[in-house]
Amino acid sequence: DIQMTQSPSSLSASVGDRVTIACRPSQIISSYLNWYQQKAGNPPKLLVYSTSRLQSGVPSRFSGGRSGTDFILTISSVQPEDFATYFCQQSYTTPVTFGQGTRLDIK
Amino acid sequence: QVRLQESGPGLVKPSETLPLTCTISGGPISSYYWSWMRQSPGKGLEWLGYTYSSGRTKYNPSLESRVTISVDTSKNQIFLNLTSVTAADTAVYYCARHRFDGAGIDYLQHWGQGTLVTVSS
Repeated sequence: DIQMTQSPSSLSASVGDRVTIACRPSQIISSYLNWYQQKAGNPPKLLVYSTSRLQSGVPSRFSGGRSGTDFILTISSVQPEDFATYFCQQSYTTPVTFGQGTRLDIK
Repeated sequence: QVRLQESGPGLVKPSETLPLTCTISGGPISSYYWSWMRQSPGKGLEWLGYTYSSGRTKYNPSLESRVTISVDTSKNQIFLNLTSVTAADTAVYYCARHRFDGAGIDYLQHWGQGTLVTVSS
């Protein structure tokens, strides 16, 4: 199975901060990397697919990209509604696997 | 607007079979892949397997001996059966619809709200 390692596991930020979350796969996955946001009591919500494509309706402050072997989710200016847990997911091969999650909370 | 709704018993006894149903509304079931996932505090998000609307399936090898996923296109429903459950199968179970972008990259576009299943005697 492809292991997906997210960092950090948690971070604190203030409204307006720029935040980056990293996801490192245990093997090459091309661009088969998606990001989801999950709020307590709700299912994951798709934010970014195919590394950098923003899902329709997702605010443009969210962006996805790559830095070396890491995939990156960036929130350019954190808003109050962005405090949640974020997951990466690889769809390069089965079994589909997810990162362990990064919890973003208010500083 | 596509909606997915999971349903099933909230409590299952150890060694029994867990049956879950995902009912799709607001969109077709045909020509899509449909997955089941589960989420527990100890194991995070885990993919259980998928079915295509034709009935073709693929399972997570870690659970393959215990999982069956099936589809009834006439009822717009997807089914999950997990046999010989233990406390480790306690989780929130989700169904989701796949979508593919122009490059053939696959993502989980629509999710159900999830249903909590507890395994306990």
